[in-house]
Amino acid sequence: NAGVTQTPKFQVLKTGQSMTLQCAQDMNHEYMSWYRQDPGMGLRLIHYSVGAGITDQGEVPNGYNVSRSTTEDFPLRLLSAAPSQTSVYFCASREPVRRIQFFGPGTRLTVL
Amino acid sequence: QQQVKQSPQSLIVQKGGISIINCAYENTAFDYFPWYQQFPGKGPALLIAIRPDVSEKKEGRFTISFNKSAKQFSLHIMDSQPGDSATYFCAASFETSGSRLTFGEGTQLTVNP
Repeated sequence: NAGVTQTPKFQVLKTGQSMTLQCAQDMNHEYMSWYRQDPGMGLRLIHYSVGAGITDQGEVPNGYNVSRSTTEDFPLRLLSAAPSQTSVYFCASREPVRRIQFFGPGTRLTVL
Repeated sequence: QQQVKQSPQSLIVQKGGISIINCAYENTAFDYFPWYQQFPGKGPALLIAIRPDVSEKKEGRFTISFNKSAKQFSLHIMDSQPGDSATYFCAASFETSGSRLTFGEGTQLTVNP
């Protein structure tokens, strides 16, 4: 199993540009989520999904969109990038019985 | 609103020493308290977790102590090793939230040889 994979690893955007961060998992987990990590703030939940076709907002959803058309994939879209979105983004999927969340390797995004 | 507060922000210990990281939470509905370990350039990985029906859980050199009445829990790393140098995050969730994790701010641990 590859676990949770994320692409790209690094990305630089200009203010106003849009892009999609990709996330995929091969563990057949229903629950997936996106977090952003900023220094001194831990990880904060952006959006999450409890299954295909079902998404909901987390703690910091503004400026981000998600969709879940398949169990495997959970892309995160930045519609109009802002410098405040400079961060490291982590995707995670959750094993349901033990409630263990498995994190991907992250995408480091810089918005100029 | 930060519902999980973590301290210290950074910690330096000598090899063989005990590392202690503390967390306090506000929401009494939390029923799952994991600790995650993160190495530079990597995603967080589950280290150990506890539920509030027990006061302590030990796995190898890692122990969680849980105080329900004080709404606090802590991670103890016995015989700390340089390979333990990483950032540690406490977190909390409750089942009816869909297990959304609320993280503490993180502690950067350095174990000197």
